[in-house]
Amino acid sequence: EVHLLESGGGLVQPGGSLRLSCAASGFTFSNSAMGWVRQTPGKGLEWVSTITGSSEYTSYVDSVKGRFIISRDNSKNTLSLQMNSLRVEDTAVYYCGRRVDQGRCFDIWGQGTMVTVSS
Amino acid sequence: EIVLTQSPGTLSLSPGERATLSCRASQSVSNNYLAWYQQKPGQAPRLLIYGASSRATGIPDRFSGSGSGTDFTLTISRLEPEDFAVYYCQQYGGSPLYTFGQGTKVEIK
Repeated sequence: EVHLLESGGGLVQPGGSLRLSCAASGFTFSNSAMGWVRQTPGKGLEWVSTITGSSEYTSYVDSVKGRFIISRDNSKNTLSLQMNSLRVEDTAVYYCGRRVDQGRCFDIWGQGTMVTVSS
Repeated sequence: EIVLTQSPGTLSLSPGERATLSCRASQSVSNNYLAWYQQKPGQAPRLLIYGASSRATGIPDRFSGSGSGTDFTLTISRLEPEDFAVYYCQQYGGSPLYTFGQGTKVEIK
């Protein structure tokens, strides 16, 4: 069964850092582009970042460029998101997802992990 | 930035009725890279439609997508009790690379 499981969320002060992880199973991880999408009640769903299977290409939404770093370890079937210089507006549920080439969309999603940035 | 505007905001219907949801893009969506998702409370989004009109694996045929360019539609031919949820459209290819609509809630009348 194809499965994604996020971890690493929590409460952090503004300016702090947090590292999210996403464990993948049930598919050939190294063949799949992966991404992070976040959701807030106010802004809805927002794409954050994606990375190709070989880590050759990464992309970010402008609001996180220079602060967040997406990476992957294909030997461990794990996707990561290093979040630095966190802001209150980064508060959201963060989902990892498998990006499919056909359709350029996310066909498998994890259950999400909550990140709260607050003093 | 390609902005996706979904309408209506809320759709109140009864089981068995037909639901028609709209997603309008501020610019043409390249290669019809337009997807639809369903989300229920406390759950992650679930992919329904990709490429504007192709059903994802395991999605019942009562769900169909249509449209091209800037105007897209998700149709649920006969609402089942489990279809009452929030639906989002998503595009690829603009800047930022991916954007989502604000959602349409389909509620029981």
